[in-house]
Amino acid sequence: GAVVSQHPSWVICKSGTSVKIECRSLDFQATTMFWYRQFPKQSLMLMATSNEGSKATYEQGVEKDKFLINHASLTLSTLTVTSAHPEDSSFYICSAEVPGHLNSPLHFGNGTRLTVT
Amino acid sequence: GESVGLHLPTLSVQEGDNSIINCAYSNSASDYFIWYKQESGKGPQFIIDIRSNMDKRQGQRVTVLLNKTVKHLSLQIAATQPGDSAVYFCAETIMIKAAGNKLTFGGGTRVLVKP
Repeated sequence: GAVVSQHPSWVICKSGTSVKIECRSLDFQATTMFWYRQFPKQSLMLMATSNEGSKATYEQGVEKDKFLINHASLTLSTLTVTSAHPEDSSFYICSAEVPGHLNSPLHFGNGTRLTVT
Repeated sequence: GESVGLHLPTLSVQEGDNSIINCAYSNSASDYFIWYKQESGKGPQFIIDIRSNMDKRQGQRVTVLLNKTVKHLSLQIAATQPGDSAVYFCAETIMIKAAGNKLTFGGGTRVLVKP
């Protein structure tokens, strides 16, 4: 149980275009999801906390207008990288909490490899 | 900001030997800790967790040890197998509410299992 699915698994886009990444909780409802980015050989850095029905909470240094997050339903959060540039190329990973399970570890998607050319 | 130019520390271990991966966590107020395994091109996979009211917890072939005095966490893998080759991350959080508890990840350790 507690499966998190991300789509697409990889995407290549041209500089200046926008890319949308989807994160779905398949067998549970997630009021809270998290978006991370990971550069090669580095750890996961939290970008933002996505809350169903309300605005996302962004970490310091993350541009909310560049990384648009929408959590319109209890099973779907999307991250849109707007006007992508080569420095946005990274591995983007989402995670979701199982609500009501205080000690439940986060369940992660398999990530999306974004390459901006 | 993000770290620049890091390379992951690597632990090379012979197949069948035990592995010990160490992690120093940063926040003395953290009360919940998790070890994740990440294979190339995939998201982190839960291995084992431990609450701050415990010093040790065992799973299948894995043991987590917590030393709150020195803010140190370790993961022991018994009889390491080729499938254990991956990057291992520790993560910490403060479980103060029912949802939205953010994880802070450590830098990661790459484990290479030699046949």
